Amino acid sequence: AQSVTQLDSQVPVFEEAPVELRCNYSSSVSVYLFWYVQYPNQGLQLLLKYLSGSTLVKGINGFEAEFNKSQTSFHLRKPSVHISDTAEYFCAVSGTGGYNKLIFGAGTRLAVHP
Amino acid sequence: GAVVSQHPSWVICKSGTSVKIECRSLDFQATTMFWYRQFPKQSLMLMATSNEGSKATYEQGVEKDKFLINHASLTLSTLTVTSAHPEDSSFYICSVGTLNTEAFFGQGTRLTVV
Repeated sequence: AQSVTQLDSQVPVFEEAPVELRCNYSSSVSVYLFWYVQYPNQGLQLLLKYLSGSTLVKGINGFEAEFNKSQTSFHLRKPSVHISDTAEYFCAVSGTGGYNKLIFGAGTRLAVHP
Repeated sequence: GAVVSQHPSWVICKSGTSVKIECRSLDFQATTMFWYRQFPKQSLMLMATSNEGSKATYEQGVEKDKFLINHASLTLSTLTVTSAHPEDSSFYICSVGTLNTEAFFGQGTRLTVV
């Protein structure tokens, strides 16, 4: 079984500042890792994913994440945020076999202030 | 990737009535779909795995008689909330399971029971 812990429920930040959203996971098997963004009353949009290979993964909208196997972490970063990045961010994990059954973290609310 | 359409996007119903939510895979034959629910300001919790042509697999704590899932074709899974009560008010989201590395989500259905 897998589990995901997002260490911060809310992250306030000023526009153009850097941000890091933290995610740790637990699993007894190999995993795929994902970051999704959700805007109010909408579905989920994939930001990026780690499957294998390079531990630094680049996604859409200038986001990137680094997979650290020894620390079982997959933190999301952006060097300079915009007001439009204000949203809920979810880290998720799935096993490497099967049909993308995702286990989500509790979510982090990113609030970008002018 | 797969295009997933959920209908309706929002619904209000009276307590005691039943509500059906549809999840359609528009361009992909989905043998497996997943249903999630999300309470306000909370994460997505997996409710059940919908399997085409067979019974759904429910997560622990989810009442199978209350949340009826039917997956009669490779493009359609339905979730029926029976005898709905205000505590069933939530955001319900489906996803299509593929052997690809990415899950594809519907836009979600906001259910309000009054």
